Amino acid sequence: QKEVEQNSGPLSVPEGAIASLNCTYSDRGSQSFFWYRQYSGKSPELIMSIYSNGDKEDGRFTAQLNKASQYVSLLIRDSQPSDSATYLCAGRGAAGNKLTFGGGTRVLVKP
Amino acid sequence: GAVVSQHPSWVICKSGTSVKIECRSLDFQATTMFWYRQFPKQSLMLMATSNEGSKATYEQGVEKDKFLINHASLTLSTLTVTSAHPEDSSFYICSAPDAGTGTYEQYFGPGTRLTVT
Repeated sequence: QKEVEQNSGPLSVPEGAIASLNCTYSDRGSQSFFWYRQYSGKSPELIMSIYSNGDKEDGRFTAQLNKASQYVSLLIRDSQPSDSATYLCAGRGAAGNKLTFGGGTRVLVKP
Repeated sequence: GAVVSQHPSWVICKSGTSVKIECRSLDFQATTMFWYRQFPKQSLMLMATSNEGSKATYEQGVEKDKFLINHASLTLSTLTVTSAHPEDSSFYICSAPDAGTGTYEQYFGPGTRLTVT
């Protein structure tokens, strides 16, 4: 069973601080990884994708990938109350477009 | 990013009836689309892969005769829940990868909330 694992949280973060989310995966053949944000009652929204080892920054978000350790992370800088949501990590395997999702980490940003 | 729409956004139906949900890629073509189901406070569960011009591929445990999928064009996939029962009440979400960008980023529709009474 190919799996993606995330801590379910909640991760409580003060407003303005950095939220750090982690994700591990078991399929070494996974080619690319995605972070989605899902607000309660809404569908997931793509916020970051990462394909190669290292860091990728987009605004307040930074994704990090370490294929040797099978580890993906997401940093949210200057966290805002509007960042309160569930963050889903997903990996795409070597063949096909099917994504394997983690269970999600709930983030609470407190003013 | 690419846009995926779903219709209807919510539907209430009586037990035993069938409900059709549409998923459209609005600004790109999608040879593959995915259908998910999500129960409250749970993660996404992939139900099936919809393939344009061929049969859908269902995940283990998903009844293909109950959840009929048709992918008749490069921009439209439909999911029909047949003989719906209260336990089918859930949030149904489709997604489609935009292969044209080369990134295969998947974009989700807004979801359809189904309530079976």
